[in-house]
Amino acid sequence: RKEVEQDPGPFNVPEGATVAFNCTYSNSASQSFFWYRQDCRKEPKLLMSVYSSGNEDGRFTAQLNRASQYISLLIRDSKLSDSATYLCVVNMGGGSNYKLTFGKGTLLTVNP
Amino acid sequence: NAGVMQNPRHLVRRRGQEARLRCSPMKGHSHVYWYRQLPEEGLKFMVYLQKENIIDESGMPKERFSAEFPKEGPSILRIQQVVRGDSAAYFCASSPPPNSPLHFGNGTRLTVT
Repeated sequence: RKEVEQDPGPFNVPEGATVAFNCTYSNSASQSFFWYRQDCRKEPKLLMSVYSSGNEDGRFTAQLNRASQYISLLIRDSKLSDSATYLCVVNMGGGSNYKLTFGKGTLLTVNP
Repeated sequence: NAGVMQNPRHLVRRRGQEARLRCSPMKGHSHVYWYRQLPEEGLKFMVYLQKENIIDESGMPKERFSAEFPKEGPSILRIQQVVRGDSAAYFCASSPPPNSPLHFGNGTRLTVT
């Protein structure tokens, strides 16, 4: 099983659609979870951390299921500017958060 | 408020040459991390440095790769005798304390011909 595995994508959706990304991780001892976005040929940027209780930031909702080792990201009312690659990121490095393991990413294109 | 600055943005080297990649962390950040993104792969941790110290190099290839973060100046990732398989995007990140979110630079894309 890969350390972090995401939907391969790509996803093409119309503006206003709801889109969900799924991710699984292999290390049950993982402590921290994040979603990053990466625009084409740019640096990854932190979108949101993922908490056990689930968390929401505007149109974005992240969920964590530790028992299933599964993370999700839901984007509601998608905008053209949401077009990017979404990276599932897991900290496998114990107490510190620098040893991040990134998934390959899922490319999202939002069409007018 | 400059972010993490990396240079060069693009670097082309022939097989056997040396590549030097530079990273200046955000102002006030004393912790630097290097990641590599191979084509069609996710980013992978390489090394974590503080000023004049390598804290964790568990992700660095054992040969040809080295990193430093001197007291003055940027952090340098050095790849000696490059091979085609070294072609990748190399991202640097920095943070204030190590348990803070990482801020990534815009990367150096190395192409080995």
